[in-house]
Amino acid sequence: DTAVSQTPKYLVTQMGNDKSIKCEQNLGHDTMYWYKQDSKKFLKIMFSYNNKELIINETVPNRFSPKSPDKAHLNLHINSLELGDSAVYFCASSQEAGGYGYTFGSGTRLTVV
Amino acid sequence: RKEVEQDPGPFNVPEGATVAFNCTYSNSASQSFFWYRQDCRKEPKLLMSVYSSGNEDGRFTAQLNRASQYISLLIRDSKLSDSATYLCVVNEDDMRFGAGTRLTVKP
Repeated sequence: DTAVSQTPKYLVTQMGNDKSIKCEQNLGHDTMYWYKQDSKKFLKIMFSYNNKELIINETVPNRFSPKSPDKAHLNLHINSLELGDSAVYFCASSQEAGGYGYTFGSGTRLTVV
Repeated sequence: RKEVEQDPGPFNVPEGATVAFNCTYSNSASQSFFWYRQDCRKEPKLLMSVYSSGNEDGRFTAQLNRASQYISLLIRDSKLSDSATYLCVVNEDDMRFGAGTRLTVKP
């Protein structure tokens, strides 16, 4: 069983479109995250949710909207996609906020054309 | 100033070599520290935690110097399979990642 699963794995879309990435974890963790890894490979946190509540919202355009229907799921919706949104998006989870070690999903490679 | 800074690399070493990576962090209130490994086109995976007293896991040794806000990772007897990007990670309210140091071990 995959501990943290993201879908889709690859996403190619045109500028201006709206897309969603889904994430689910079966580890029973309380906290989930979205990270963005750009072309320079720098991993930067975007959002953090603890038990369905938003606890970290870094400086991210408001075109990005996370949604956590329950503590096992954290989805990311992106409106009006731009070329600069092309990156790999990683979902992760941990037992508690900032807790010991994160488990990452395998990533969603988003390409905006 | 970046929160977590690492040697930019890349490091290209022969099999069997010893290689060391360094990392500095800016927030003196940081509580815990880790090294992650990321293979090409894969997700980061926890390699080891870093404890104040230093800790070892097989060929890997991690050190922490809180006074200097400095973390290191030493890899002894490098294997081809050690080729990857090594990410220094500092836990504040959430995990802050360094940009990573790329290691290539060659035959």
